Amino acid sequence: DAKTTQPPSMDCAEGRAANLPCNHSTISGNEYVYWYRQIHSQGPQYIIHGLKNNETNEMASLIITEDRKSSTLILPHATLRDTAVYYCIVMGGGGSNYKLTFGKGTLLTVNP
Amino acid sequence: GAVVSQHPSRVICKSGTSVKIECRSLDFQATTMFWYRQFPKKSLMLMATSNEGSKATYEQGVEKDKFLINHASLTLSTLTVTSAHPEDSSFYICSAESQRGGIDTQYFGPGTRLTVL
Repeated sequence: DAKTTQPPSMDCAEGRAANLPCNHSTISGNEYVYWYRQIHSQGPQYIIHGLKNNETNEMASLIITEDRKSSTLILPHATLRDTAVYYCIVMGGGGSNYKLTFGKGTLLTVNP
Repeated sequence: GAVVSQHPSRVICKSGTSVKIECRSLDFQATTMFWYRQFPKKSLMLMATSNEGSKATYEQGVEKDKFLINHASLTLSTLTVTSAHPEDSSFYICSAESQRGGIDTQYFGPGTRLTVL
């Protein structure tokens, strides 16, 4: 699976959009980009995933560049409860037994 | 949808005893479940992949005789930490794989905090 690079930490003001970047320059054609987050002392929470098109759900939007070498997770209106470590993970999505490899992620701190 | 539960959420045991942790997918069936371990201020590390009805596949460095995994049904996997020692104290998290829409997505349980005295 392709490796990802994320900034170790970011700050965001409550109510503003949080834009979390992720580089995955070695991503291959059949690999998806997944985003999870982990609030302190809880299990990771699935946020969103995508292949090449931009995706949006009730939690966030995922913007993937045309060359697929990077992506941005957007939380449109961050709240204090969005403070968490956000993980960007690249993984094949077409079969079973694919493993998620968690890096260090980005600690997003939403400030009042 | 896609809810995964774990039981217990927290357990304290004496050194040398065994502890069983249950992972259940509540609203979907999961052929594959995964077990992770997370030490303080560290990221999640995959321990093993559990497939319903077959033996688990362990990651390098994880002792299969110490961490017994059973996946007897499509909604339940168990992890038993045998002869636990203080160094086994950690946050254990399971996930269950859902194949909705043909795409594999793992949904995680809330985790089990194990403290071995």
